Amino acid sequence: QKEVEQNSGPLSVPEGAIASLNCTYSDRGSQSFFWYRQYSGKSPELIMFIYSNGDKEDGRFTAQLNKASQYVSLLIRDSQPSDSATYLCAVSAGTYKYIFGTGTRLKVLA
Amino acid sequence: KAGVTQTPRYLIKTRGQQVTLSCSPISGHRSVSWYQQTPGQGLQFLFEYFSETQRNKGNFPGRFSGRQFSNSRSEMNVSTLELGDSALYLCASSLRNRDRVSTEAFFGQGTRLTVV
Repeated sequence: QKEVEQNSGPLSVPEGAIASLNCTYSDRGSQSFFWYRQYSGKSPELIMFIYSNGDKEDGRFTAQLNKASQYVSLLIRDSQPSDSATYLCAVSAGTYKYIFGTGTRLKVLA
Repeated sequence: KAGVTQTPRYLIKTRGQQVTLSCSPISGHRSVSWYQQTPGQGLQFLFEYFSETQRNKGNFPGRFSGRQFSNSRSEMNVSTLELGDSALYLCASSLRNRDRVSTEAFFGQGTRLTVV
């Protein structure tokens, strides 16, 4: 079992819809959770981070964390074609070693 | 505020050679991590440096090494290059002001290494 698992996609959503990206992790000691966006040929860009159970909203993005079920999700409201990218989930158990999933490719259709 | 700076951006090396990559973190950030990204394996953690000491290490052979200087700048070295070392090498910096909870990491643009 991989430490951090994501569906590779592609996840296709129409412009204006909500995109829902999911991530599960295996280490119950994980304390920090991050979502990065990576455009083709570019480096990962931090979108959101969350430490506590529940929801955290930032603009069109909402991160959701459920430690009991060991999953973290990212919702993108009013999806735009410019949101088309690979979204990486990263998890850390307080050691500054970040474990990344292999990413979900999102395609927003105009 | 300047971001994370990696040099060089591109490198082509021959099998058996060695290479040194450089990373300057965001001003005030004292933790520097290195990652290898390949299409097949995704982002793989190499090691993390804080206060000039390696604090964490991933599952890479000893050919991969690093160091950190007193100004927090870091270098990564790969010796005896193999074809499989061709990858995007990414450096990330963190503030590391909370020892029990990893704070967010910011990536540089990466160094794309091609081994021929």
